[in-house]
Order: sequence, then C-alpha cells, then structure tokens
Amino acid sequence: EDKVVQSPLSLVVHEGDTVTLNCSYEVTNFRSLLWYKQEKKAPTFLFMLTSSGIEKKSGRLSSILDKKELFSILNITATQTGDSAVYLCAAFNNNAGNMLTFGGGTRLMVKP
Amino acid sequence: EAQVTQNPRYLITVTGKKLTVTCSQNMNHEYMSWYRQDPGLGLRQIYYSMNVEVTDKGDVPEGYKVSRKEKRNFPLILESPSPNQTSLYFCASSLRVQAAYEQYFGPGTRLTVT
Repeated sequence: EDKVVQSPLSLVVHEGDTVTLNCSYEVTNFRSLLWYKQEKKAPTFLFMLTSSGIEKKSGRLSSILDKKELFSILNITATQTGDSAVYLCAAFNNNAGNMLTFGGGTRLMVKP
Repeated sequence: EAQVTQNPRYLITVTGKKLTVTCSQNMNHEYMSWYRQDPGLGLRQIYYSMNVEVTDKGDVPEGYKVSRKEKRNFPLILESPSPNQTSLYFCASSLRVQAAYEQYFGPGTRLTVT
C-alpha cells in the first residue's frame, strides 16, 4: 500500500525563524513529489520535484527531493505570520487513475 | 475564469438522508476526482473519473457513489450518510490523468452528518 508520512504533525515558531518540514514516501511507480500549502480553503500548489538533489526555490520557500532515501524537505526561511498554514506533500505515481497519495500534513503556526 | 465549483459549500444533515454534492469545471478537463480531508489524514481519494462514463474507486469509496454523464460535471452522492462521513470534501480536475499533478481544486464542501 502506498504511503506518505509527514513530520512533524504541527509546529509553532516565531516570525523570522527557519523551519524544515519533512515528507517520506513509499509508493509504487513513483514519479514526482508535490508540495501544497493549505490555508482555510483548497490546497494551492507550491512545488513539483522529479529529480533528486535539485533544489526548487520560490522566494523564501525551497524544497529538495532525495529519491534514494525516499524523502523530501520543504524549507521556509525568515518565516512570516502569512506562512501559517497546513503544508501537504503528495506522491505522484504512474498508477492508472489513482495517482496522488497525500501525507497527513504539517500544521505550521508562525507567531508574531 | 477557469474554475472548479462545488455546491453546497456547507451542509448539515441527518443520518440516512440522501444527499448530492455537485462539482463542475469549465476547463474541458478529462480527469476529475473527489477527495475527503480529515484532520491528520491529508486528502484521501474517494473516486475518480478519467473521462465521460469512466469512473473508478479511489482509496476510500465505501458509502459513496459518483457519475460522469457529462464532461464538466462529477457529482458525489451519499445514498445513506453516516456520521463517519462528516468531513471536508474537495473536487478536483486536471486536463488529463497524466497531468493530475496540475489539479485544480474546488473550494471545498464541509459536510456534517448528525
């Protein structure tokens, strides 16, 4: 059974801190790893990672994938209160139809 | 504007009373799916559809039905809702199944079954 596990479950930091969110996966026919940010609505897409060791960056957010160890991390530097959200990772596979397996999410709260 | 719409956005109902949550997309997408989201469990796929009249079960299909009679619509039907179906539901669509990583999500439907 495909599985995606995120840690920590929740995290409370202060503005300006740097955080690292973890995502490990065990899926058959793995293709890519996706990160989403979810505030009080539908998830919004952040990154898709397909190759190992290549960092993707968007402003203060960055992410990297390790296909040998089967995990990914999402880093957020100089956190702001607007970064408070649930961060979801999902493994995208080549299985017919049911192609995304989501982790349980990490709830990040950034305090002023 | 390209979008996925869901109705209703909020629903409180009683056990056993049949309900339908509608989902519609205006992007001519082939692939549509339904997810439920529960605390700590992320999004779990209920059903998906790769095109008109082609539907299949996801990870948690028990207690749900779907249909895909038209490309734009993918309603989720709960024939006899139970309290364990209280959840936040998302409909999503993408151009093709292979592009599921580019899914557009609807705004969500918060369902409470008492």
